[in-house]
Amino acid sequence: GQQLNQSPQSMFIQEGEDVSMNCTSSSIFNTWLWYKQDPGEGPVLLIALYKAGELTSNGRLTAQFGITRKDSFLNISASIPSDVGIYFCAGQLRSGGSNYKLTFGKGTLLTVNP
Amino acid sequence: DAGVTQSPTHLIKTRGQQVTLRCSPKSGHDTVSWYQQALGQGPQFIFQYYEEEERQRGNFPDRFSGHQFPNYSSELNVNALLLGDSALYLCASSLDRAGYGYTFGSGTRLTVV
Repeated sequence: GQQLNQSPQSMFIQEGEDVSMNCTSSSIFNTWLWYKQDPGEGPVLLIALYKAGELTSNGRLTAQFGITRKDSFLNISASIPSDVGIYFCAGQLRSGGSNYKLTFGKGTLLTVNP
Repeated sequence: DAGVTQSPTHLIKTRGQQVTLRCSPKSGHDTVSWYQQALGQGPQFIFQYYEEEERQRGNFPDRFSGHQFPNYSSELNVNALLLGDSALYLCASSLDRAGYGYTFGSGTRLTVV
């Protein structure tokens, strides 16, 4: 099945560093979502973006909806050990206000060295 | 407030067998979607149920079927299991037309031997 192109595949950083990851698609989406998944758990929603060009923050996390509607990025500032996990982008094509399927990237594995 | 509940948490089946996985959506949610997540991959959409009907389906064979009950809970059935069906199966619920993303359960880890 289709998956979005998410990069980098993995990152190993020092605590306190900033992190950036991005996601691209050959298809247009009208919603972009960023999720975090911890081992043995389901993905948890971090940020949702609904408009091209939109920039949204959630604490130390900032995400942007690309102007072409085919890409998005997520930044994490001043990383801490609990940021460790797998980050997924997901695109959604919502129609008529209804929530339809999510198309996910393969994920970015983030490791933070204390 | 209970989130999305899935059962069982782990399951081991033999090739050719059939399996049923269950999902109770978050309180107030009316839409249930199922995803398959293979090791090292992102979740892949299987299908979505709304008003007890399959509304949208991903690229999965007919061996994968589902059901939604009047209380919005859902089942995923997989027949004639293959080794390649081994994966984490995630259920996600949402309130249709709410304008925000899904809430995921912790998943059922299915191993086919």
